[in-house]
Amino acid sequence: AQSVTQLDSHVSVSEGTPVLLRCNYSSSYSPSLFWYVQHPNKGLQLLLKYTSAATLVKGINGFEAEFKKSETSFHLTKPSAHMSDAAEYFCVVSERAGGTSYGKLTFGQGTILTVHP
Amino acid sequence: EAGVVQSPRYKIIEKKQPVAFWCNPISGHNTLYWYLQNLGQGPELLIRYENEEAVDDSQLPKDRFSAERLKGVDSTLKIQPAELGDSAVYLCASSLSGKSYNEQFFGPGTRLTVL
Repeated sequence: AQSVTQLDSHVSVSEGTPVLLRCNYSSSYSPSLFWYVQHPNKGLQLLLKYTSAATLVKGINGFEAEFKKSETSFHLTKPSAHMSDAAEYFCVVSERAGGTSYGKLTFGQGTILTVHP
Repeated sequence: EAGVVQSPRYKIIEKKQPVAFWCNPISGHNTLYWYLQNLGQGPELLIRYENEEAVDDSQLPKDRFSAERLKGVDSTLKIQPAELGDSAVYLCASSLSGKSYNEQFFGPGTRLTVL
């Protein structure tokens, strides 16, 4: 079974300061991990994904995440927050089930990021 | 390239009424998903289609929910009758295939309010 825990339901930062959104996962098989962002009244958009290649993954809009197997973590970071980063962020795990290559997405509860001027 | 299209964007109905949601995936995407997103939570899979075949509907409440993807392209999700607890956002997504590494592209969702 797979699961995702996003450790913070809300994160508030000032514009220009670093962003850290924390995510821990549990998976029985080699997981694929994703971060999605959801702006109000818009569809979920993929920020980045890890699929067993490089452990440090770079995504769009300056975001990156590091896969740490020993810590079962996949935290999302950005060096400098922008006002447009304010949104809800979801950490997602996709596990190859039962030896097949099909991946079922399991979403975390979401972290709402607020950016103050 | 057009993204995943969903309609309507908003729907308000009274309990016990039927409701239907429509989704048109990205052209060429064989896999289509319907998700339910309750307020303050992440989306949860209801059903997954590979072409016209529903290959994972284990989370679909079959007593009142039904879905179809007759020609393997667009899809309809129906609730009959709707209950108060069905108020949520219904998301449609598509991907090239169901493999774990494939990105799923999401539509904007249909926000359902049941009164």
